[in-house]
Parts: sequence; structure tokens; C-alpha cells
Amino acid sequence: RKEVEQDPGPFNVPEGATVAFNCTYSNSASQSFFWYRQDCRKEPKLLMSVYSSGNEDGRFTAQLNRASQYISLLIRDSKLSDSATYLCVVNLYNFNKFYFGSGTKLNVKP
Amino acid sequence: DGGITQSPKYLFRKEGQNVTLSCEQNLNHDAMYWYRQDPGQGLRLIYYSQIVNDFQKGDIAEGYSVSREKKESFPLTVTSAQKNPTAFYLCASQMGEGYEQYFGPGTRLTVT
Repeated sequence: RKEVEQDPGPFNVPEGATVAFNCTYSNSASQSFFWYRQDCRKEPKLLMSVYSSGNEDGRFTAQLNRASQYISLLIRDSKLSDSATYLCVVNLYNFNKFYFGSGTKLNVKP
Repeated sequence: DGGITQSPKYLFRKEGQNVTLSCEQNLNHDAMYWYRQDPGQGLRLIYYSQIVNDFQKGDIAEGYSVSREKKESFPLTVTSAQKNPTAFYLCASQMGEGYEQYFGPGTRLTVT
């Protein structure tokens, strides 16, 4: 079983739409959680950390549900520039236990 | 400007040749990592180093070697023993356990 699972998509949405991605993780001992964004043929870039109480950064909201072992990312008022692959990342507070999901592809259309 | 640099951006080699990928950071981070990404797949850990002069194998270390002689530098050598070396190689650094990782721009290696 994979440590982190994501729906690969693609999610095709119009500009201005709200879109949500979920990601599940298998190890209940996981301690820190992140969302990264990866553009085509580029490196992953940190979008936001995910805190237990949930957190928001502009149009982006991240939630953590420890009981069900999933994290979510909500994007409001989608922009064309949001088109990318979003990677869910889970860490067990150990240097070699930083697990990346395969990513969810988002296409925002005009 | 603080960050991570990788060179070269694209690298082409013939089968049977060893090749070394460069990774340098000026973020003063202790931990550094090498990952490999294949199309449609997640990142897989090759090697990591928590501190200078120490490094550990990741999940797919076979056919690769590293060194960590300086805090700023963590070069990766892809040897001829690596069966499928063509991939996108990403270097990352991290301030400490539990913190986020920051990535370099990557090196796209093609072996024919």
C-alpha cells in the first residue's frame, strides 16, 4: 500500500470555479503535512503547510483530518495560473520519511 | 539570493558512462536529499544526508553514489550500474526534522 494516495485527475474546471483535492495517508504516526505545486517539467514548490486546525492562504485552504487520515486542499476563484500538478506530502518527523503523492493535475480553462 | 542550484539542467550520456550531478545550497540547511521522478510518478528517495560527512541510502540507492564533504554541496553520481538512469533528478534541502523541503530546479538526464 502506498504511503500517500491522490486522485491523479485531471480536474478540468472553468476560471472562477472552486475545486477541492483530497489526499489520504496510511501511517497514523505522520506528523507534518504539506501541499506542493509542480508545473510541467519544473521542480515542486511549497504551496502551504497543513496545520491541525486548518489554515488559509488567500484563495487556498488546507485541512487535516487525523481521524480519517486525509488532508485536503481547496482552491477558490480558480485562475488560469493555478493550472499545475498538486502534490500531497506527509512526513513522519524522520529525515527519510518524507513521502510524496503522485500528484493531482488541475487544468483551469478560460 | 538564497536557494538551491543544480547543474546542468539537461545532460545526455551514453550507456556505460558514469555521470555526476551537482547540487549546491546557500540556505545553511543541514539536511540534503536526492530524489528521482519518472513520468506520472511520485518522487522516490535515492540518498539523503543529515549532516556533513554522513549520508544514508534511500529507497532506490542501487547504482547511485553521493558524497557530503561540505555543508553546501551534495553531488550525486549515476553509475553505469544503474539500470534505468533516464529520469528527472531533484535535489532538496531541509532546515531540520519536520520542516518543509526546498527543491533545486532539477537535472533532466537522458542516457542512450
